[in-house]
Amino acid sequence: SYELTQPPSVSVSPGQTARITCSGDALPKQYAYWYQQKPGQAPVLVIYKDSERPSGIPERFSGSSSGTTVTLTISGVQAEDEADYYCQSADSSGTYHWVFGGGTKLTVL
Amino acid sequence: EVQLVESGGGLVQPGGSLRLSCAASGFTFSSYEMNWVRQAPGKGLEWVSYISSSGSTIYYADSVKGRFTISRDNAKNSLYLQMNSLRAEDTAVYYCARAIVGATSNYYYYYMDVWGKGTTVTVSS
Repeated sequence: SYELTQPPSVSVSPGQTARITCSGDALPKQYAYWYQQKPGQAPVLVIYKDSERPSGIPERFSGSSSGTTVTLTISGVQAEDEADYYCQSADSSGTYHWVFGGGTKLTVL
Repeated sequence: EVQLVESGGGLVQPGGSLRLSCAASGFTFSSYEMNWVRQAPGKGLEWVSYISSSGSTIYYADSVKGRFTISRDNAKNSLYLQMNSLRAEDTAVYYCARAIVGATSNYYYYYMDVWGKGTTVTVSS
């Protein structure tokens, strides 16, 4: 099987920049996607195709890719951004199309 | 408004069966691939199953293969998940999600852009 690795937690103060990473061997060959999930709610797509932002997602959310690591960056973090964030991608062979990272809990201090 | 609404969850004994439904509205359901994704209590997201827009292509996670069956009725704008031989480890919130699948000149892409609110399945005696 294929694995994506995320840090379990990231903490930042309001107004600071949060960076959440996701590592996987196939990421140089596959797009990555990011979902935000607040407690008791369904996931929401915040970044697709590494760095594209869906309509309605604030500009402070951005994505980037470098080698085997992709990064979700939240600039000027707000209290409402406190949530779990999951990356998702596929393996290089196309066998596993829908693989999630373990999730990162973003805490706004 | 684009919407997905799951139903059919509940409490079931180990070894039992349950059928989940997902009603789609606000978009042309027959044009989209669909996924089921689950989340066990306090755990992360786990992809369960995929079905193409026509229903001709289906994939399952190894953890449910042979026990779960995904299907769809495009005339009724509905997605289904038949779950048999349920185990305690199948306890989770089950989400249906609209899948976006395609290719650019460089890469294929696979992601989920619309999610339902989920339905809870509890497997316990």
